[in-house]
Amino acid sequence: SSELTQPPSVSVSPGQTASITCSGDKLVDKYVCWYQQKAGQSPVLVLYRDTERPSGIPERFSGSISGNTATLTISGTQAMDEADYYCQAWDITTAVFGAGTKVTVL
Amino acid sequence: VQLVESGGGVVQPGRSRRLSCAASGFTFSSYALHWVRQAPGKGLDWVAVISFDGSDEFYADSVKGRFTISRDNSKNTVSLQMNNLRAEDTAIYYCVKIVDKNQLLFDGFDIWGQGTLVTVSS
Repeated sequence: SSELTQPPSVSVSPGQTASITCSGDKLVDKYVCWYQQKAGQSPVLVLYRDTERPSGIPERFSGSISGNTATLTISGTQAMDEADYYCQAWDITTAVFGAGTKVTVL
Repeated sequence: VQLVESGGGVVQPGRSRRLSCAASGFTFSSYALHWVRQAPGKGLDWVAVISFDGSDEFYADSVKGRFTISRDNSKNTVSLQMNNLRAEDTAIYYCVKIVDKNQLLFDGFDIWGQGTLVTVSS
């Protein structure tokens, strides 16, 4: 099955932009989703179908995809955005998750 | 819109456990439902899916032949029967709803339950 590769950690200063990458085989041909998980909580969908934001997700969360890499961008990062972020895509009939990226807001 | 899991606990290796998930706030019978698990301190791991009407099921290779997903649309519940449990099955198990009612796969998961912890240990 295919794998999705994320950096283990990303650090960002408040108000700055955080970018989290997710690399995988032929990712441009698949829809990528992103989830935010804060400590002790269930994951929350922040982007789906590469760039779509569910209702209630702030506009500072955006997505892009190029070739084999999808990127979640958090613009104007806030302290509340500190969390683990997981990308996810489908490999035939199996949902595959990246290992997660811990975003620290310094 | 809510999903509430139950049935977790401590179970010995090789034994069975049945998890349940009760749904409310949406048209349950129109959506595929999935189970996703998370081992303590680890990442997310997809387990299984069942179609809106129960006619299709898919499983992760790691649980195929041991786990069975089912649903009761009259009771708005989905279940996961777990047999021959192993230590590596220890995880929080989440019941999740897919975004689009016309999709079984290939979409995101927009509603997650609070999870139920299964610990496989002697």
